[in-house]
Amino acid sequence: DAKTTQPPSMDCAEGRAANLPCNHSTISGNEYVYWYRQIHSQGPQYIIHGLKNNETNEMASLIITEDRKSSTLILPHATLRDTAVYYCIVRVGDYGQNFVFGPGTRLSVLP
Amino acid sequence: DTGVSQDPRHKITKRGQNVTFRCDPISEHNRLYWYRQTLGQGPEFLTYFQNEAQLEKSRLLSDRFSAERPKGSFSTLEIQRTEQGDSAMYLCASLEDSRTDTQYFGPGTRLTVL
Repeated sequence: DAKTTQPPSMDCAEGRAANLPCNHSTISGNEYVYWYRQIHSQGPQYIIHGLKNNETNEMASLIITEDRKSSTLILPHATLRDTAVYYCIVRVGDYGQNFVFGPGTRLSVLP
Repeated sequence: DTGVSQDPRHKITKRGQNVTFRCDPISEHNRLYWYRQTLGQGPEFLTYFQNEAQLEKSRLLSDRFSAERPKGSFSTLEIQRTEQGDSAMYLCASLEDSRTDTQYFGPGTRLTVL
């Protein structure tokens, strides 16, 4: 699976959009980009995933660059409850494989 | 609550003791995964099951660790002769055998070995 690079930490003002970047320059054509988050003392929570098209769901939007070497997770209106560690994972969409988590980005939403 | 559940949520034990954790996956999810997470790190894969068959084990899973899923439903993870280095959060996740490939995680069991 391709390696990902994320900033270790970010701050965001409550009510503003949080844009979390992820670099995955070695991604291959059959690898998906997944985002999970982990709120303190809880298990990771699935947010969104995509292959090459931008994706949106009730939690977030995922923007993948045309060359697929980077992506951005967007939380449109961050709340204090969005404070968490956000993990960007790239892997082949072959169901059953385990996820390889990096250290992620610690997002702090500030009042 | 129909999510993944884990028991106990916290476990404190003395070095050398054996401990066992339980995971109940989402009903009808065929695949079940165990991960370990130490402070400040992302979760690390340990092992996974498809129904009752254990299909893959990480090198992290030493011979003191054993996992079972006898009836293809709940799973147990046992650690024998615990060491202080085993202190971590142990996470379970489940997945329905399909192409959506979304793993759902439980709340974890936090183990502290004194």
